[in-house]
Amino acid sequence: DAGVIQSPRHEVTEMGQEVTLRCKPISGHNSLFWYRQTMMRGLELLIYFNNNVPIDDSGMPEDRFSAKMPNASFSTLKIQPSEPRDSAVYFCASSSGGEDTFGSGTRLTVV
Amino acid sequence: AQSVTQPDIHITVSEGASLELRCNYSYGATPYLFWYVQSPGQGLQLLLKYFSGDTLVQGIKGFEAEFKRSQSSFNLRKPSVHWSDAAEYCCAVKVPQAGTALIFGKGTTLSVSS
Repeated sequence: DAGVIQSPRHEVTEMGQEVTLRCKPISGHNSLFWYRQTMMRGLELLIYFNNNVPIDDSGMPEDRFSAKMPNASFSTLKIQPSEPRDSAVYFCASSSGGEDTFGSGTRLTVV
Repeated sequence: AQSVTQPDIHITVSEGASLELRCNYSYGATPYLFWYVQSPGQGLQLLLKYFSGDTLVQGIKGFEAEFKRSQSSFNLRKPSVHWSDAAEYCCAVKVPQAGTALIFGKGTTLSVSS
């Protein structure tokens, strides 16, 4: 298995632009998670899905953030409009039970 | 709500010395417990996990961790550190049921001196 695949690996965008991060979970995993990692706050859960249904989005910072999972093999995290304080590494993870597998992350820089 | 505390932000250990990284959690029962390692620019790799049973768990790369219910702790240990162990170490907990999310501590950065 190729593991959890995230794209792009790096994204540099200007403030105000829309940013879309993508994630392909491991086939057969029915839970998908989006995390954000910063120096100040470490890894924080943004949102997660079970069987493509959003379960807990209480970690989504504000309305500028949205996430979708249209099918079992794909999810997106969108930021619109982006701001410099959104600069972070965004991780996607998937799971079929107790152990989660993480992607390599997307490093987002908003200038 | 669950929470995880890693009291040490940064630790420096001499190569060959022993290592212990601390992790305390807050949860009403026994959660699932995890340690992940993250090398610079890389994703997270699972070192070890505890679900139930023997409270001393062995992981990859020579690491072990001990669950102590009375102290709500799950400290990570290694008897002899190698320079390649320099990385970020993250402790996490999860409610013990399917389809729940990991809650992480803020991480401990390990530096290894020669």
